[in-house]
Amino acid sequence: DAKTTQPPSMDCAEGRAANLPCNHSTISGNEYVYWYRQIHSQGPQYIIHGLKNNETNEMASLIITEDRKSSTLILPHATLRDTAVYYCIVTKKGAQKLVFGQGTRLTINP
Amino acid sequence: DTEVTQTPKHLVMGMTNKKSLKCEQHMGHRAMYWYKQKAKKPPELMFVYSYEKLSINESVPSRFSPECPNSSLLNLHLHALQPEDSALYLCASSQDQPGNTEAFFGQGTRLTVV
Repeated sequence: DAKTTQPPSMDCAEGRAANLPCNHSTISGNEYVYWYRQIHSQGPQYIIHGLKNNETNEMASLIITEDRKSSTLILPHATLRDTAVYYCIVTKKGAQKLVFGQGTRLTINP
Repeated sequence: DTEVTQTPKHLVMGMTNKKSLKCEQHMGHRAMYWYKQKAKKPPELMFVYSYEKLSINESVPSRFSPECPNSSLLNLHLHALQPEDSALYLCASSQDQPGNTEAFFGQGTRLTVV
């Protein structure tokens, strides 16, 4: 699976959009980009995933660059409950493993 | 029901004890996973079960013994653990492989070895 690079920490004001970047410059054509988050003392939670096109669901939007070497997770109106560690994971369809990198610790400030 | 239930939530055990962690899901998922997470670190994969068969063992010491009695249950048997094995143990499940679908995680069992 391709390696991902994320900033170790970010801050965002409550009510603003939180944009979390992820670099995956060695991604191959059959690898998906997944985002999970882990709120303190809880298990990780799936957020969204995509292959080439931008994706949106009730939690977030995922923007993948045209060359697929990087992506951005967007939380449109961040709340205090969005404070968590966010993990960007690149994995092949049908992979048996989900391997977590170091993630980004996002803090939403009031 | 989109829950993965882990019991117990907390466990304290001595180095000579034998204990088991339990994980249950009723989503019809056929892949189940054990992860170990130390403080301020990402979860580390330990074992993967696919259709009730062990498919991946990430070179985990034999003092950790997984078991999948049926498609809804996953156990982790613990024996002769060391203090450095103290961690949050997370169970997860997915419809089949995680690269095909999202994985659902339980809240974890916080294990302390004394």
